[in-house]
Amino acid sequence: DGGITQSPKYLFRKEGQNVTLSCEQNLNHDAMYWYRQDPGQGLRLIYYSQIVNDFQKGDIAEGYSVSREKKESFPLTVTSAQKNPTAFYLCASSIGTGGRVADTQYFGPGTRLTVL
Amino acid sequence: AQSVTQLDSHVSVSEGTPVLLRCNYSSSYSPSLFWYVQHPNKGLQLLLKYTSAATLVKGINGFEAEFKKSETSFHLTKPSAHMSDAAEYFCVVPGGTSYGKLTFGQGTILTVHP
Repeated sequence: DGGITQSPKYLFRKEGQNVTLSCEQNLNHDAMYWYRQDPGQGLRLIYYSQIVNDFQKGDIAEGYSVSREKKESFPLTVTSAQKNPTAFYLCASSIGTGGRVADTQYFGPGTRLTVL
Repeated sequence: AQSVTQLDSHVSVSEGTPVLLRCNYSSSYSPSLFWYVQHPNKGLQLLLKYTSAATLVKGINGFEAEFKKSETSFHLTKPSAHMSDAAEYFCVVPGGTSYGKLTFGQGTILTVHP
């Protein structure tokens, strides 16, 4: 079964701790993305990666870090510098053709992070 | 810059009645456009995608959307609502400047009453 998996589904963190959210895809997609979702605000792009060993900041990258060492994996670390990390985090991937027509992005089931 | 405006934050319908979720877009060129659906505490699922091949786009679960360039609209419709349609719906346009970036509308929560 092809798809995107995210783990854990729920994550609790104490203030001052870094946590890492996992995202894995077996769709053989080149591009991967991390979004943050808050109620009533739609989705906002944190980081994206077009290819292995390369990634770019999105609109709200402060307090987050990523790596892309393997094509199928794009973990997100929420650092203690992120002032308001409680949110629903969604990972997505797309083929990454770079053409004029935007690629469809396929989403994982999400991780809900709560800071205690 | 590309942007989308979802005109209703909440829509409530009765089961079996038509659904209309409204979306206007702003783009400097004829864009791709998407509708995604999100059930509570789940990821997003693609409903349909416009790519300029045809102005009326049919999606999954009986949904369809019509691209109207003169009105800059891409409204989502379904002839008869089902209880399982209750979810949040997002109209989405490519961001334009950043590769692969999508710009999401604020979302419309659809409630379906028995």
